Amino acid sequence: QSVLTQPPSVSAAPGQKVTISCSGSSSNIGNNYVSWYQQLPGTAPKLLIYDNNKRPSGIPDRFSGSKSGTSATLGITGLQTGDEADYYCGTWDSSLSAEVFGGGTKLTVL
Amino acid sequence: QVQLQESGPGLVKPSQTLSLTCTVSGGSISSGGYYWSWIRQHPGKGLEWIGYIYYSGSTYYNPSLKSRVTISVDTSKNQFSLKLSSVTAADTAVYYCARASGDCGGDCDIAFDIWGQGTMVTVSS
Repeated sequence: QSVLTQPPSVSAAPGQKVTISCSGSSSNIGNNYVSWYQQLPGTAPKLLIYDNNKRPSGIPDRFSGSKSGTSATLGITGLQTGDEADYYCGTWDSSLSAEVFGGGTKLTVL
Repeated sequence: QVQLQESGPGLVKPSQTLSLTCTVSGGSISSGGYYWSWIRQHPGKGLEWIGYIYYSGSTYYNPSLKSRVTISVDTSKNQFSLKLSSVTAADTAVYYCARASGDCGGDCDIAFDIWGQGTMVTVSS
C-alpha cells in the first residue's frame, strides 16, 4: 500500500489529453513539493516535473503539473504512442521522514 | 553530461550483505547541491526510496530499511555505495542509483533528476 494514491491505469486516444492524479495528505503533498517521473518499458524512470509544476530542460510543454491541497495532477496533452509508460508521483513525507512514491499509473494510448 | 552507472553482484545469498556501487561520470560528486541516492523497484512493482547521501557524508535513510542500510561516498573515486545487510528474497529488486537535486534543510525538497540504468539483484541460495 503506497502512501500516495494513483489510479492503476488511464487510457486515451492519440492526440487527446489525459490527467493522472496523485492523492496524499498534509504530511506529504500538502506541505512539500511534488515530482513526477515517466518510466518507459524496461528503462529507468525519468524526471518529468519537479517543484509541483516545473519542467526540466528537454521536457516538452505537453507535460504539466499542478497541485491543490493534498493532491497533485500530471497532465499530458497531444498524446503520442511513445507516451505509453508508467508514471509515478513522489514527494517527501514529513511524518515518515522519507521520500515516498505513488504506486504508479500505467498510461495506454489507444 | 552527468551519467550514473551501477555495478555489483547480480546474485546474493539470503542473510548475506548486498553491496552495490554507483560510479558518477561527467561531473564531480563533491560539487555540492546534490544528494546521491539509491532507489529500488521490486519486480512489477513501484519505486521504493532507500536513502541518500550528501558529499559531506550526511545520510538520510528510509526508516523501514534504516537498520540494514549503509550508504557511503568515496569522493576520490567519484563513487557512492549501498550496503544492505541480512537480505531475504524480499530484497530481490532492480536497484537504481540516482542524483537528487534540491535541499534537505528540515524536510527534503528534492527531485531525482538523473538515474542510472538500474541493476537487477536476486536474493537466492
